[in-house]
Amino acid sequence: QVQLVQSGAEVKKPGASVKVSCKATGYIFSTYHIHWVRQAPGEGLEWMGIIDPSGGDTYYTQHLQDRLILTKDASATTVYMELSSLKSEDTAIYYCARESRDSSGYHYWGDYWGQGTPVSVSS
Amino acid sequence: SYELTQPSSVSVSPGQTARITCSGDLVAEKYVRWFQQKPGQAPMLILYKDNERPSGIPDRFSGSNSGTTVTLTISGAQVDDEAVYYCYSATGNIRVFGGGTTLTVL
Repeated sequence: QVQLVQSGAEVKKPGASVKVSCKATGYIFSTYHIHWVRQAPGEGLEWMGIIDPSGGDTYYTQHLQDRLILTKDASATTVYMELSSLKSEDTAIYYCARESRDSSGYHYWGDYWGQGTPVSVSS
Repeated sequence: SYELTQPSSVSVSPGQTARITCSGDLVAEKYVRWFQQKPGQAPMLILYKDNERPSGIPDRFSGSNSGTTVTLTISGAQVDDEAVYYCYSATGNIRVFGGGTTLTVL
């Protein structure tokens, strides 16, 4: 079955970087894009970016594009989210989520999620 | 920039119909998805393409679009449906979640 398993909780100081992994199993890794979403404590969802595990193409939300890098390791069927120059406002749970395709070929995402990785940024 | 506006909370009694709205200019142009998030859990997609259900989602979850407002309808709401519901849409380089609606069933 499809599974997305993320790395464990992180505690970082302001200005540092964090790298979160999302290991995909149960399907052909290159077939579906992976999205990243974060959720600050008590807040709503924020879409961060997307990576195509096939070619590595990425797209980031505008206000994070200077600090966010999404990468993939096809041999490990793993995608990575690296956020640099961390601020206290980056304290959040970070999720990866996979795209799917329905019977008509329409692409959508969000029916498979990782368990979430808490990242705490504090001095 | 695009925004999606949702009511902060909706309350219904068990068995009643719950309706959660999502409004904004983006809704008139693009399909909307709905996510359900229970405390301590990852979100879960319950509707896409305004009214399509992924596999495993009960048919008491449905959606409708009336121009600049889309509505998530939960027919015969159950206590287990208590959660925060987020609408989401995307156009070009913009991807937006609504602020979320807390559904209380009691």
